[in-house]
Amino acid sequence: AQTVTQSQPEMSVQEAETVTLSCTYDTSENNYYLFWYKQPPSRQMILVIRQEAYKQQNATENRFSVNFQKAAKSFSLKISDSQLGDTAMYFCAFRTSGSRLTFGEGTQLTVNP
Amino acid sequence: DGGITQSPKYLFRKEGQNVTLSCEQNLNHDAMYWYRQDPGQGLRLIYYSQIVNDFQKGDIAEGYSVSREKKESFPLTVTSAQKNPTAFYLCASSIWAYLSSNQPQHFGDGTRLSIL
Repeated sequence: AQTVTQSQPEMSVQEAETVTLSCTYDTSENNYYLFWYKQPPSRQMILVIRQEAYKQQNATENRFSVNFQKAAKSFSLKISDSQLGDTAMYFCAFRTSGSRLTFGEGTQLTVNP
Repeated sequence: DGGITQSPKYLFRKEGQNVTLSCEQNLNHDAMYWYRQDPGQGLRLIYYSQIVNDFQKGDIAEGYSVSREKKESFPLTVTSAQKNPTAFYLCASSIWAYLSSNQPQHFGDGTRLSIL
């Protein structure tokens, strides 16, 4: 079975600082895909960033970047220059070809002014 | 604009009553999904469908039923057999997973179901 673990239920950061959210996963597959979703208080689920396991280069989207360590099965999210609007629940998710998406339990991030 | 529409936004259920949550998408996606989210927790998969007239149980299908008669629509019925239905329900869709597993799921705005 595939599992996704987010070991930090809650985190906080000061505005303009950098924060890293951790995610580990377990799979025997070699080809798979990883995602970070954000769920603000409005409860919408918004895709933040995605990474294909066959790509060695870490994905980046503006202030969001990942540190993908395939051997360690780790997929952390780094948020630079944190903004108040980044306050949300962040979910790490994982999928192999032909399978459904598996979500972690989430990390509640609070950005403080 | 393309997207996923869930209705209603809030729903109340009486004891012994079945209620149906609507999910419609105009993204031309093949696959559709229903998730349940309890307070402070992650998403758990109830049912999913990769093609019209076919669907599979997820992790917590008991007490729920679905249909997929049209590509655009994937309604979820919460039956009286679901003894603890109070939760936030999210519908999602994506391009068929096997062909495009790097494609993300797109989500609706959710329906909050409560017991009267």
